[in-house]
Amino acid sequence: EVQLVESGGDLVQPGGSLRLSCAASGFTFGPYEMNWVRQAPGKGLEWVSYISSASNTISYADSVKGRFTISRDNAKDSLYLQMSSLRADDTAVYYCVREGTGLGAFDVWGQGTLVTVSS
Amino acid sequence: SYVLTQAPSMSVAPGQTASISCGGNNIGRKSVHWFQQRPGQVPVLVIYDDKDRPSGIPERFSGSNSGDTATLTINRVEAGDEADYYCQLWDSHTDHRVFGGGTKLTVL
Repeated sequence: EVQLVESGGDLVQPGGSLRLSCAASGFTFGPYEMNWVRQAPGKGLEWVSYISSASNTISYADSVKGRFTISRDNAKDSLYLQMSSLRADDTAVYYCVREGTGLGAFDVWGQGTLVTVSS
Repeated sequence: SYVLTQAPSMSVAPGQTASISCGGNNIGRKSVHWFQQRPGQVPVLVIYDDKDRPSGIPERFSGSNSGDTATLTINRVEAGDEADYYCQLWDSHTDHRVFGGGTKLTVL
């Protein structure tokens, strides 16, 4: 079964840091482009960051650029998101998402991990 | 940055057709994808590249894209279609992925 499993979500104070992980299984992780997408409570979907299969192309939403860092380890079938200088408006469920069908379509989603930024 | 505009909500009676729009500047020149998110669930891809359906998605779901509007059409709407629907695309100018604000579909 094709699966993405996120971990690392937690309650963190404003200004703090957190590292999210995503473990892929059921498919060959290396060739796929990957993304992080988030959803604040009761709000819509917001794309956060993208990384190419070989990590040579990376992009970030303006709202997180300079604070978040995406990375991957193809040998471990894993995707990461290092988050720093966290703010209250970063509170959201963070989804690990595979970009695999058509031109940039998100075809596989993890179940999400909740990040809460609050004092 | 590229902006996708969706109506916040719409309602339709069972058995009728729902047409959910996604507006953007010259969106017809881009590939648009659509996601369904039922309450409390993870988003699911229902249309990719404007009009293609992933395996397992009913034929009742179809898509089109032209000019400044992309449209997701759901024929013979069922109670189980009640969900939030999001359009999404890749903006080649910024290399950003962009979501619309979502449309909440209510089945009366």
